[in-house]
Amino acid sequence: EVQLVQSGAQVKQPGESLKISCQGFGYRFHNYWIAWVRQMPGQGLEWMGIIYPGDSDTKYSPSFQGHVTISADKSITTAYLQWNSLNVADTAVYYCARYYGNMYPFDFWGQGTVVTVSS
Amino acid sequence: SYVLTQTPSVSVAPGETVRMTCGGVNIGSQSVHWYQQKPGQAPVLVIFDDRDRPSGIPERFSGSNSGNTATLTISRVEAGDEADFYCQVWDRSSDQRVFGGGTKLTVL
Repeated sequence: EVQLVQSGAQVKQPGESLKISCQGFGYRFHNYWIAWVRQMPGQGLEWMGIIYPGDSDTKYSPSFQGHVTISADKSITTAYLQWNSLNVADTAVYYCARYYGNMYPFDFWGQGTVVTVSS
Repeated sequence: SYVLTQTPSVSVAPGETVRMTCGGVNIGSQSVHWYQQKPGQAPVLVIFDDRDRPSGIPERFSGSNSGNTATLTISRVEAGDEADFYCQVWDRSSDQRVFGGGTKLTVL
């Protein structure tokens, strides 16, 4: 059974750093992209970027380029989403999803990680 | 960048049929995927490649895509179908993955 298990909820202050994770089970982790998707409170889904764990090829949405870093460690079937300096506007639920690439869908999703940034 | 436009909300009585649209320039030439998101839950893929259903998705869910509009149809709507629905495509010209703004389905 394919599963993506995300790390737990985080509460941070503005300016702090954060790294959240997404661990894949039940499939060949290095053969699929992992996508990250943001959902701000009461809002829709926004694609942030993708990483191919097999070679760490990474693509970002222009809206997120430079503000977050996506990485992966295929040896432990885990992908990461990282901030060096959080803003209040980063408060959201962050989902990871499995993705075969290009025209294919996001077929399995993690349960989401709630990130709250508040002073 | 490519824009997908969805009606913000739609309501339907149980047992009826509801159609939700996703508009985009020449979207008929793209593969459209649909996700259902119930309150407090992660999204779930319900239609991929315009009209195909993943394993476990009821036949009541169907999709079509032509011209500038893709459509998700739910037949014999049930109370448990109440959710937000999002369409999504890959914009090959910019290599971006794009979501529509979502449609909130209310079952009366």
